[in-house]
Amino acid sequence: QKEVEQDPGPLSVPEGAIVSLNCTYSNSAFQYFMWYRQYSRKGPELLMYTYSSGNKEDGRFTAQVDKSSKYISLFIRDSQPSDSATYLCAMSANSGGGADGLTFGKGTHLIIQP
Amino acid sequence: DAGITQSPRYKITETGRQVTLMCHQTWSHSYMFWYRQDLGHGLRLIYYSAAADITDKGEVPDGYVVSRSKTENFPLTLESATRSQTSVYFCASSGTPSSTDTQYFGPGTRLTVL
Repeated sequence: QKEVEQDPGPLSVPEGAIVSLNCTYSNSAFQYFMWYRQYSRKGPELLMYTYSSGNKEDGRFTAQVDKSSKYISLFIRDSQPSDSATYLCAMSANSGGGADGLTFGKGTHLIIQP
Repeated sequence: DAGITQSPRYKITETGRQVTLMCHQTWSHSYMFWYRQDLGHGLRLIYYSAAADITDKGEVPDGYVVSRSKTENFPLTLESATRSQTSVYFCASSGTPSSTDTQYFGPGTRLTVL
């Protein structure tokens, strides 16, 4: 079993829908949780960052962490075609900067249909 | 502000040849990382470095060599390329291992080993 599990998709939804992306993990030492967005043939870029449990909201994006269930989520409201990308969850036990590297999920390919 | 750059962006080589992928960052970040991204595996850490002349192995280091003589550069060398090293390689950097920092990724190098 990999440390971080993420459904690779593809996940296809109509424009304007609410999107829910999820990851589960097995390492209880993880405390820092990130969501990266990656467009085709580009490098990952940070979308959301959360420390420990709880919610964090930024515009149309909400990140949730439930450490008791070892489960993290990213919600996208009013989804737009420009949100079509691969979304990667990433985690670290040590810091947001991941001094010894981040552990990534495989990524979920999201398609927003106009 | 160039940020983090990688060269070459695309490379085709043959089995057994030595290949060096370059990574350069302009932020004077202490930490630098090399990941490879493969379908079905997501991003996996190859090597990382906490400072000049300090490097350490990640999850998949076999067949790779790194050096870091200057803070801003972190080259990755495949000493004798194999077909299994066909992948997209991403370099990343972070300033400090603090809770508020995160990793910033380069645009990637797409390597094909024939």
